[in-house]
Amino acid sequence: SQQGEEDPQALSIQEGENATMNCSYKTSINNLQWYRQNSGRGLVHLILIRSNEREKHSGRLRVTLDTSKKSSSLLITASRAADTASYFCATDFSGGSNYKLTFGKGTLLTVNP
Amino acid sequence: NAGVTQTPKFQVLKTGQSMTLQCAQDMNHEYMSWYRQDPGMGLRLIHYSVGAGITDQGEVPNGYNVSRSTTEDFPLRLLSAAPSQTSVYFCASGTSGYNEQFFGPGTRLTVL
Repeated sequence: SQQGEEDPQALSIQEGENATMNCSYKTSINNLQWYRQNSGRGLVHLILIRSNEREKHSGRLRVTLDTSKKSSSLLITASRAADTASYFCATDFSGGSNYKLTFGKGTLLTVNP
Repeated sequence: NAGVTQTPKFQVLKTGQSMTLQCAQDMNHEYMSWYRQDPGMGLRLIHYSVGAGITDQGEVPNGYNVSRSTTEDFPLRLLSAAPSQTSVYFCASGTSGYNEQFFGPGTRLTVL
């Protein structure tokens, strides 16, 4: 399997704190995406970073990509209780279809009020 | 737009039964896919399609069939259900030029 791996598996923080999740993958990629999944719901796309980009921002989200280490991080600043969810990274691999995503196992984030 | 819709939301089958999970999208996306999500395993790709009449296997295709006769619909067929197919199934769609995928709400399947 070419799955990415998120770290940590679970993270519990207080509202207002920052949350950082990491993702590692095994082979060269075209793009890396982050998705959020609220309990019992489908996945929602958060942000995409291309292999030639190193950092990207979207609102309170900051994503970095280090292709030399085959890793990415997702930072959520000033977290809110509504950010409680599972977060997944997904990659599509160089030489493969852009549509074939490989997901990691996810990080469960709990933001306590 | 309704986005990606899936039916049913819940289903219980007995071993050996067959059924079809329905998926439809109204965004005119050429790409559609099926994933299964098991506890501790993340999402795994079952089958995908890059357009009407074109399908291909993903990571875990055994025990599942798909077809794509229209752009809108991408049903997933379980020919002879097994307990190992107990899972939550998600359908997703996307378009060329951008890799974001839009997910349906999922179907929770239990095979007894």
